[in-house]
Amino acid sequence: QQQVKQSPQSLIVQKGGISIINCAYENTAFDYFPWYQQFPGKGPALLIAIRPDVSEKKEGRFTISFNKSAKQFSLHIMDSQPGDSATYFCAATTSGTYKYIFGTGTRLKVLA
Amino acid sequence: GAVVSQHPSWVICKSGTSVKIECRSLDFQATTMFWYRQFPKQSLMLMATSNEGSKATYEQGVEKDKFLINHASLTLSTLTVTSAHPEDSSFYICSAVGAGGPYEQYFGPGTRLTVT
Repeated sequence: QQQVKQSPQSLIVQKGGISIINCAYENTAFDYFPWYQQFPGKGPALLIAIRPDVSEKKEGRFTISFNKSAKQFSLHIMDSQPGDSATYFCAATTSGTYKYIFGTGTRLKVLA
Repeated sequence: GAVVSQHPSWVICKSGTSVKIECRSLDFQATTMFWYRQFPKQSLMLMATSNEGSKATYEQGVEKDKFLINHASLTLSTLTVTSAHPEDSSFYICSAVGAGGPYEQYFGPGTRLTVT
């Protein structure tokens, strides 16, 4: 019940296309869902996050869509660029512990 | 803002020795710091939660006598890998909470540990 399932494992997108990464969870106590971007040999960097009382949040080219009833959330990267090539992790946490449960990661490659 | 640093960025040590990794929040006070371990092409695995002035809380399966964590101040936490063995070779990453509220974790750049 503590798992966060992330798909796909890897994704190849053409420059200018839309990258979509999905995550699903079981624990309804989760109340904060961040997305992180990680480049090889670096620490993860916070991209965008959402609370369950909001169905969508947009920051620049990054959008989170949240479906509370389905217990799913997704990251959309619009106008994908080669510089977006990285590994993306979704995560979930609760106000009880604030510990993150990370998804398994998606390796995104954007072709020039 | 919300910068977290780690030192060293990479370290090589011999089997049986100990190595200390520092995690610092540079521009905010971190009420809580987390330590993660990441193997190549895998996700981050939480090792322990560190609160200033109190003992660290370790996740199930993590040997607290092997991975010593000290949160000496609101800006510094250290992880000491004692009696390191080759299987301890990994990427160790810390995160700090306090800059954007209790939910937002800001991650350090990571420390690559290689035990020979």
